[in-house]
Amino acid sequence: DQQVKQNSPSLSVQEGRISILNCDYTNSMFDYFLWYKKYPAEGPTFLISISSIKDKNEDGRFTVFLNKSAKHLSLHIVPSQPGDSAVYFCAQDTGNQFYFGTGTSLTVIP
Amino acid sequence: EAGVAQSPRYKIIEKRQSVAFWCNPISGHATLYWYQQILGQGPKLLIQFQNNGVVDDSQLPKDRFSAERLKGVDSTLKIQPAKLEDSAVYLCASSPNDRGETQYFGPGTRLLVL
Repeated sequence: DQQVKQNSPSLSVQEGRISILNCDYTNSMFDYFLWYKKYPAEGPTFLISISSIKDKNEDGRFTVFLNKSAKHLSLHIVPSQPGDSAVYFCAQDTGNQFYFGTGTSLTVIP
Repeated sequence: EAGVAQSPRYKIIEKRQSVAFWCNPISGHATLYWYQQILGQGPKLLIQFQNNGVVDDSQLPKDRFSAERLKGVDSTLKIQPAKLEDSAVYLCASSPNDRGETQYFGPGTRLLVL
């Protein structure tokens, strides 16, 4: 069973609007969560992360929210731009290993 | 369904030694990826297989790294000889298609080269 789940395989958003990508996890201790962005034919690149001692981390247009009671992680992109179109992976680093979600393909429509 | 399996989970070797990693993808997944994730960085794509053929190995250091996917199922990644900078997590992922939009990652193999 997947330790980290991204239940939406794809998402389409109009340029300038908010993109919200979601991620759920099943196990938690003092973990570290990461979001990666992946373009075709490339490996995922690191985007933003959050420690489990926080509930929010912001970096420019990207904000990650962590709801520990719900074991839920979300990435907000505001405003969305066409260059944000990519596949987004969430990942959990337990210190012993990484667990990756299966990815959400975001399309930002101009 | 069973996920992507990788072994070993951890490996410690000395520089100049050889090491091999094994990956068993999800049944029926035609596409298999090997990534190298160095501490603090995102995964770097080393090689992508479509069935038993190589689609992309442009970032594979071919002087020391090799990979094969005989019969289009399991895959092995070998490093020979290893260098200190090869210390990383090696991730295997599989996908039911070649677009890379949905990838199922294995737990990874943590390699430490001393």
